[in-house]
Amino acid sequence: DIVMTQSPDSLAVSLGERATINCKSSQSVLYNSNNMNYLAWYQQIPGQPPKLLISWASTRESGVPDRFSGSGSGTDFTLTISSLQAEDVAVYYCQQYYSNPYNFGQGTKLEIK
Amino acid sequence: EVQLVESGGGLVQPGGSLRLSCAASGFSFSNYGMHWVRQAPGKGLEYVSVISRDGGDTYYANSVKGRFTISRDNSRSTLFLQMGSLRDEDMGVYYCARHADSGDYHPLDYWGQGALVTVSS
Repeated sequence: DIVMTQSPDSLAVSLGERATINCKSSQSVLYNSNNMNYLAWYQQIPGQPPKLLISWASTRESGVPDRFSGSGSGTDFTLTISSLQAEDVAVYYCQQYYSNPYNFGQGTKLEIK
Repeated sequence: EVQLVESGGGLVQPGGSLRLSCAASGFSFSNYGMHWVRQAPGKGLEYVSVISRDGGDTYYANSVKGRFTISRDNSRSTLFLQMGSLRDEDMGVYYCARHADSGDYHPLDYWGQGALVTVSS
């Protein structure tokens, strides 16, 4: 099984500042035949189900603000929120869908400083 | 509008059984793989199971293998999770979620609101 590890576990950032969350997979999730990274990011606001933010490591879903961006390849990935807004307070998860089971990282709790 | 609505959660004793359902609407259910993901109280997301579009292929996390069975009824646009030999660690919110595309290996793009399973004597 591919193990996903996020860092940090929690993060406090001032409004308007940049937030960066890291995700590392225990093996590459880059599929060489199509050069795509099978890595997604989700946002879970307390009391709500997760919401898909980014797929293929860097493709924002429709309606997701452009302050959210994803980067990385192979085993190391990053979710960046360029200018933190109050509504971004949530827990963020990475997930690989390269192979079953589609494991999640342990989550990163993002708060306002 | 895509909607996934879970039901069937509740209180069950350790060792007991429970069947969750997920009613889908707003899309062609038979064209999409479907997943179950759970979340223990105050904890992170744990991947549980997946079923292919026609129900012919399934996968289970090691933690539930042999105790849980995923199935689907495409004529009723409904996903199921039959849970048996329930343990304390099975307690939490169970989400059904849709595969983001009709092909293989895609993220989960729509999620239900979840069904709460409580395991307690």
